[in-house]
Amino acid sequence: DTAVSQTPKYLVTQMGNDKSIKCEQNLGHDTMYWYKQDSKKFLKIMFSYNNKELIINETVPNRFSPKSPDKAHLNLHINSLELGDSAVYFCASSQRINNEQFFGPGTRLTVL
Amino acid sequence: GNSVTQMEGPVTLSEEAFLTINCTYTATGYPSLFWYVQYPGEGLQLLLKATKADDKGSNKGFEATYRKETTSFHLEKGSVQVSDSAVYFCALRWMDSSYKLIFGSGTRLLVRP
Repeated sequence: DTAVSQTPKYLVTQMGNDKSIKCEQNLGHDTMYWYKQDSKKFLKIMFSYNNKELIINETVPNRFSPKSPDKAHLNLHINSLELGDSAVYFCASSQRINNEQFFGPGTRLTVL
Repeated sequence: GNSVTQMEGPVTLSEEAFLTINCTYTATGYPSLFWYVQYPGEGLQLLLKATKADDKGSNKGFEATYRKETTSFHLEKGSVQVSDSAVYFCALRWMDSSYKLIFGSGTRLLVRP
């Protein structure tokens, strides 16, 4: 069974479009995260939710909006996509914020 | 600010060679330190960790020692296998209420038979 899953795995879209990436974890964790990995492989946290409440919100354009319908899901919606949004986006989860994080396989977003 | 610097890859080794991947950090206070591994097509997995100075983390033959005096956490393995081919990320945990993970840029390891 996949612990942290993301859909889609690959996403190719045009500038200006709106897209969503979904994340689900079946580990029973209460904290979920979104990370962005840029072309230079730097991995940086974007958001974190604990019990559906936003606890980390890094300096991310407000075109990015996370949504947590329940503790097992944290989706990432991106409006008005730009070329610079091309990256690999990783979802992760943990039981409480200071415990080991389990990562999904990533979603490669390409904006043309 | 807090940051992690890793040696650039790729690192290419023959099977059974000795591996060192360098990692140094800049941080206020005493962060926890981690190595994560990403196998092809998969997400990151925690490989090992150390939470205080002089701690040694170890797992699957890999080791890293938390060196406060040199602010380093170098990853080592005595004899690598082809199955160790992956990308390795060094990270620190920011010791404030957010417990954020700060990652290095990753080092790709390629082990040839």
